[in-house]
Amino acid sequence: GAVVSQHPSRVICKSGTSVKIECRSLDFQATTMFWYRQFPKQSLMLMATSNEGSKATYEQGVEKDKFLINHASLTLSTLTVTSAHPEDSSFYICSARVIAGNNEQFFGPGTRLTVL
Amino acid sequence: GQQVMQIPQYQHVQEGEDFTTYCNSSTTLSNIQWYKQRPGGHPVFLIQLVKSGEVKKQKRLTFQFGEAKKNSSLHITATQTTDVGTYFCAGGYNFNKFYFGSGTKLNVKP
Repeated sequence: GAVVSQHPSRVICKSGTSVKIECRSLDFQATTMFWYRQFPKQSLMLMATSNEGSKATYEQGVEKDKFLINHASLTLSTLTVTSAHPEDSSFYICSARVIAGNNEQFFGPGTRLTVL
Repeated sequence: GQQVMQIPQYQHVQEGEDFTTYCNSSTTLSNIQWYKQRPGGHPVFLIQLVKSGEVKKQKRLTFQFGEAKKNSSLHITATQTTDVGTYFCAGGYNFNKFYFGSGTKLNVKP
């Protein structure tokens, strides 16, 4: 199946700093990528929908100035957590949807962010 | 916002017993997908249902989509230890974005 990578897999940062997470579709092109947040033992919460070449669509309650999303190419989307705070600590996971497919989402392995 | 409810939250079964998880949306869905997430892993796509009343089978797994396209179920017959994990439904809206249910964590005792 299609492979999606995320980098880094784990990151620890100080409060107030910014962290960038990359999501790449390795063997297919994805016009749409999704960013989710997953708290321990909980479900995936959709944060935003990222479309190549256009602005991301954010879900209600998600601050777009805090969670900057860029989808510069058909294989790369980035999520930047700006001025991170301890409450931003979470598991961030992206998914990519193939251009010609059945809407199946392929998930990356996730990034564990810890803000001290 | 859109909500997809899923029950039960946990299910512990003896190997060989059946298992069912249910999802319900407050609004009509365009489609619904099911995913399985193993401990420490990421969600893996199982299936997508699109048509009203659709039923699909994958070996011991049976997926149903309600007539009103607001609810769905996943049934596993004769569970095995390899079925352990959390099963999520993801309700689709306009075939564009998906909202995940809260998941059902399945534990199978050998």
